[in-house]
Amino acid sequence: DSGVTQTPKHLITATGQRVTLRCSPRSGDLSVYWYQQSLDQGLQFLIQYYNGEERAKGNILERFSAQQFPDLHSELNLSSLELGDSALYFCASSADPGAGEKLFFGSGTQLSVL
Amino acid sequence: GQNIDQPTEMTATEGAIVQINCTYQTSGFNGLFWYQQHAGEAPTFLSYNVLDGLEEKGRFSSFLSRSKGYSYLLLKELQMKDSASYLCAVRDFSDKIIFGKGTRLHILP
Repeated sequence: DSGVTQTPKHLITATGQRVTLRCSPRSGDLSVYWYQQSLDQGLQFLIQYYNGEERAKGNILERFSAQQFPDLHSELNLSSLELGDSALYFCASSADPGAGEKLFFGSGTQLSVL
Repeated sequence: GQNIDQPTEMTATEGAIVQINCTYQTSGFNGLFWYQQHAGEAPTFLSYNVLDGLEEKGRFSSFLSRSKGYSYLLLKELQMKDSASYLCAVRDFSDKIIFGKGTRLHILP
């Protein structure tokens, strides 16, 4: 158990809908990363937060947004969903990325858009 | 831009040694990670290199050459449970951690 909690584990929805994925980092970790993993694409970096502030952004679509709350949990919002958004979404947390601290991954949310 | 290259697939025999290479071109370098990922599961940390040289941890070792933009993961005494994907990831100066597409390793008995 990595200590990172992601909910829900599975999500099935329809095109055009909006969903929210939730992540609770390990106790004490200030940084949260979001990744998307499709079958042949590997882990695609979406966005990183550190202590409530956006730190770095990857190729995140405009239909996607995220935030980190004062209690350090994070939410990833996906809207106007398309079939191609079906993927495994991982959240990872780190104590201090700048000090070489590793990422601990949650078990992921499997999103299926039908 | 960021580019991380690893072989897509490799096959090795139980008990043998395998080396998985990773080359990278990133805007700034602030450390390289190796992760293991079994199908349908979360990646788990294997090793971290920020200085040139070899880091050894049990059956797994990782090497880094910053001047060449090159790393490898060495797995010794292969076991069937080592069948998994191995992901190379680079952290840049903004703490963005970018992953390669991973190398799927198949272990044959």
